[in-house]
Amino acid sequence: SAVISQKPSRDICQRGTSLTIQCQVDSQVTMMFWYRQQPGQSLTLIATANQGSEATYESGFVIDKFPISRPNLTFSTLTVSNMSPEDSSIYLCSVVQHYQETQYFGPGTRLLVL
Amino acid sequence: SQKIEQNSEALNIQEGKTATLTCNYTNYSPAYLQWYRQDPGRGPVFLLLIRENEKEKRKERLKVTFDTTLKQSLFHITASQPADSATYLCALESDYKLSFGAGTTVTVRA
Repeated sequence: SAVISQKPSRDICQRGTSLTIQCQVDSQVTMMFWYRQQPGQSLTLIATANQGSEATYESGFVIDKFPISRPNLTFSTLTVSNMSPEDSSIYLCSVVQHYQETQYFGPGTRLLVL
Repeated sequence: SQKIEQNSEALNIQEGKTATLTCNYTNYSPAYLQWYRQDPGRGPVFLLLIRENEKEKRKERLKVTFDTTLKQSLFHITASQPADSATYLCALESDYKLSFGAGTTVTVRA
């Protein structure tokens, strides 16, 4: 299975600021995704990070709020822009490797917005 | 609308017993279904994947069944141990994207 790391692991931010979360995989992967897990809730898919092109966002999520980059097959970033306390969540990246169906998750980034 | 329901928020069982978790879904036609374990403050860890043409799959003390007619998956932990205490999530796939149930928190008492 892929080994996935995320930076930062946690952060406390002021409202109105932005935070960029990095996701690094130890091998090339076919697909990368970003999820959000709000306190006490399950995971919700934010977007699919497409290598070399714009991300594909799910309903309720927009690029201006959650810009995503994926410059290569092992790295992606998610930015949470103009943050408000409602953005306090755990943000997780996940990957699918070539010719596999299993999705592996990173350890998550715990974000608190004050 | 699409919906995924896991039978209960919490399940408390005695060590050595079998825990049975239920995942029901509507308005999905998944090619496969996955079960994950999540510990507090950590990302989900993959446990088992079962495809639509498979009835049952096992991995050590874990067993998953998948009934596409009933639109239901059952997840069993046999001979449960306190270390099995965690939240278990079922997830349905569509174009590699996963939709998750709310999860069932299992507590195994010694």
